[in-house]
Amino acid sequence: AQSVTQLDSHVSVSEGTPVLLRCNYSSSYSPSLFWYVQHPNKGLQLLLKYTSAATLVKGINGFEAEFKKSETSFHLTKPSAHMSDAAEYFCVVRMNYGGSQGNLIFGKGTKLSVKP
Amino acid sequence: EAQVTQNPRYLITVTGKKLTVTCSQNMNHEYMSWYRQDPGLGLRQIYYSMNVEVTDKGDVPEGYKVSRKEKRNFPLILESPSPNQTSLYFCASSFEGQGFYEQYFGPGTRLTVT
Repeated sequence: AQSVTQLDSHVSVSEGTPVLLRCNYSSSYSPSLFWYVQHPNKGLQLLLKYTSAATLVKGINGFEAEFKKSETSFHLTKPSAHMSDAAEYFCVVRMNYGGSQGNLIFGKGTKLSVKP
Repeated sequence: EAQVTQNPRYLITVTGKKLTVTCSQNMNHEYMSWYRQDPGLGLRQIYYSMNVEVTDKGDVPEGYKVSRKEKRNFPLILESPSPNQTSLYFCASSFEGQGFYEQYFGPGTRLTVT
């Protein structure tokens, strides 16, 4: 069975400091992995996706994530936080096999706060 | 513009009064899905559809129905809503099959059942 665990429900950083949002996954098959962002009262926007072509994935707004198979992790990072990064972030694994192919499994989310 | 639309965006209703939330996509996607989002629980899948006339249960299907008569539309039906169905609902669509196709999400429908 596939699952995803976001290790922090809330992360607070100061503007200009690095961001690290942690995600571990469990999958019997080679996974597809995504990070989505949800700003307050908004829908979900794709930040980046792991396509198996490269382990370091670059996304929008300066975010990137590294796929580490040995650690079953897909942590999201950004070198320098902006106030506009304050949002909720979801790590997501996609089922790539069987009758449920295409289904997404969401982590419970990490709320990122950015202090001035 | 490629998009997923949902209507209504906000709805307040009473227990037991049947309602339908519509979802439509203009990208010719085979796959469509409904999720509900509750604080601290992330998004949980209610139902999904791999193509026209093909639907299946997700993780939390109780109290919901769906239909997929046309490729572009995937309505969510609550026959007898209850307060525990108060939630934020998202519809999503994507290309079907293997690969790394992202899901495109609608803007959400905030439902309150009193």
